[in-house]
Amino acid sequence: EPEVTQTPSHQVTQMGQEVILRCVPISNHLYFYWYRQILGQKVEFLVSFYNNEISEKSEIFDDQFSVERPDGSNFTLKIRSTKLEDSAMYFCASRRDRDDYGYTFGSGTRLTVV
Amino acid sequence: EDKVVQSPLSLVVHEGDTVTLNCSYEVTNFRSLLWYKQEKKAPTFLFMLTSSGIEKKSGRLSSILDKKELFSILNITATQTGDSAIYLCAVHSGGYNKLIFGAGTRLAVHP
Repeated sequence: EPEVTQTPSHQVTQMGQEVILRCVPISNHLYFYWYRQILGQKVEFLVSFYNNEISEKSEIFDDQFSVERPDGSNFTLKIRSTKLEDSAMYFCASRRDRDDYGYTFGSGTRLTVV
Repeated sequence: EDKVVQSPLSLVVHEGDTVTLNCSYEVTNFRSLLWYKQEKKAPTFLFMLTSSGIEKKSGRLSSILDKKELFSILNITATQTGDSAIYLCAVHSGGYNKLIFGAGTRLAVHP
């Protein structure tokens, strides 16, 4: 069964450093998403990406965050200057098309900011 | 503000019991409701519901949606220890169909 692949599975970074979280969505999927889950809290929407641009973003997704699909397969989330409160599990998800409501989630990257 | 509320937040049962998990929602532009199971990491898909009153079934799990009363239930019969997980309810809302998640129900099934 096709999978969404995320790397690394765990990243520890110092406050103020930049991090890039990587995702390889399913190859024929067109819609891409990032969600995060702070320990013990809800899964929260960050951003959706379609046709090489951001289609929607949440209030969480401020100027410190950016997304990119640099080469037609990878989908990255960059946090420019990490804060302690960015520590969370970050999930990438994709779906095939507008009428496909079946998201596939990656296994997540646990980001720890120290 | 869009919201999804799940209850109970946690539940402890013994193997063989039947459980019912609840999810109520208030969202603009409802498209569908999804149930996920989260064990260690990624949520894994269980059901998607778009129409009221039609039960979806997969083995011992079943789910139904009531679009008039704005809720859904997830039933698990003859629970097993492998059913222990967090069950997440999420609603599709908005133009690009972002998911709005509830806080989840943590189910613990004891032998």
